[in-house]
Amino acid sequence: QSVLTQPPSVSAAPGQKVIISCSGSSSNIGNNYVSWYQQLPGTAPKLLIYDNNKRPSGIPDRFSGSKSGASATLGITGLQTEDEADYYCGTWDGSLSASVFGTGTKVTVL
Amino acid sequence: QVQLQESGPGLVKPSQTLSLTCTVSGGSISSGSNYWTWIRQPAGRGLEWIGRIYPSGSTNYNPSFKSRVTISVDTSKSQFSLKLTSVTAADSALYYCARGSSRITVFGVESRFDYWGQGTLVTVSS
Repeated sequence: QSVLTQPPSVSAAPGQKVIISCSGSSSNIGNNYVSWYQQLPGTAPKLLIYDNNKRPSGIPDRFSGSKSGASATLGITGLQTEDEADYYCGTWDGSLSASVFGTGTKVTVL
Repeated sequence: QVQLQESGPGLVKPSQTLSLTCTVSGGSISSGSNYWTWIRQPAGRGLEWIGRIYPSGSTNYNPSFKSRVTISVDTSKSQFSLKLTSVTAADSALYYCARGSSRITVFGVESRFDYWGQGTLVTVSS
């Protein structure tokens, strides 16, 4: 059972912006850094954002991350059809001494 | 470019032990602050972290699995392995191996999984 809560789905038209939230607690997001993963259909997850707001090489700047308190957000601007995927947040949970993931959000491009 | 490849039986009988191996290529399994981890994803559901191992052999496990899971590493073969005992149908999932990195800072733990295997499907059924 995930300890990080995300909305099940978000959608927007091509070119628009979506924001995905990830809600946790002081034992995880509140006191640790957040990463985000994109999982295209039928493929393994891919690192999208790390350390709250850093992008690995090759990730376009349409993707951005932020954190405030015990919540984090992933923003996708200029939405493209290839952005249709599931997105997961992740972090370390000090109480569990374990990595934890969010429940996942499906992004649909209308 | 680091690559990871899972291998192992795709079908395991209930109550038996699930055993998977991940082979790492394109980089050293022994490098610095990296660790090696197993993550699973039941069909149509989210990601679940199983545990990790450092090249030194130090491990951490998800409390949900702690009594059933063992992760080991063979640096000479650039492989690490997962054993999950007493499996049930609930353990049927796509199993991924991945490389993780972690750093403790004054502002908290930085952690990420930057390289993933393609995943291997394990079904628990008689």
